[in-house]
Amino acid sequence: AQSVTQLDSQVPVFEEAPVELRCNYSSSVSVYLFWYVQYPNQGLQLLLKYLSGSTLVKGINGFEAEFNKSQTSFHLRKPSVHISDTAEYFCAVSAPTGRRALTFGSGTRLQVQP
Amino acid sequence: DGGITQSPKYLFRKEGQNVTLSCEQNLNHDAMYWYRQDPGQGLRLIYYSQIVNDFQKGDIAEGYSVSREKKESFPLTVTSAQKNPTAFYLCASSIGTAPTKDTGELFFGEGSRLTVL
Repeated sequence: AQSVTQLDSQVPVFEEAPVELRCNYSSSVSVYLFWYVQYPNQGLQLLLKYLSGSTLVKGINGFEAEFNKSQTSFHLRKPSVHISDTAEYFCAVSAPTGRRALTFGSGTRLQVQP
Repeated sequence: DGGITQSPKYLFRKEGQNVTLSCEQNLNHDAMYWYRQDPGQGLRLIYYSQIVNDFQKGDIAEGYSVSREKKESFPLTVTSAQKNPTAFYLCASSIGTAPTKDTGELFFGEGSRLTVL
């Protein structure tokens, strides 16, 4: 079974500052990794995913994430945030075999302040 | 536009009543899922179905039931046995069946918020 830990429940940051949202996972097999964003009272939208290959993954809205196998991490970064980035961000993991449903972390609330 | 439609968006229920949440997809996906979201707890898997006429319990299936009679539809019933049903419910789908193609990437509906009065 897999598990995901998002280390920060809330991250306040000023507009145009850089941000990093941390995610660590646990799994006995190789995994696929995802970051989703959720705006209030809406469903989740895929930001980016790591399946294989290059460990630096670029996504939508200027976000990127780096897969680090030795540290079992998949941290999300953006060099300069906007007010519109205020949302809840979820890290998730799935395995190539067995139960295919994604396992999610508890989420990180990104609050961008002017 | 292809996507997932959940209805109703908001639902109020009295204690002791069963309610059914609708989920329809036109993405031609084989697999469908129901998640429950509570503040600070992320998303927890209730039920999932990888093919028509088959479904499996997730991590918090007690007090819920599902059916999968059609590929496009995966309704969730919240029964009176569910002790704390007030939550935001999310339906999702993925390609499914072919493991070499399905990475588990989920496509989500807009959610249904259930409040028990």
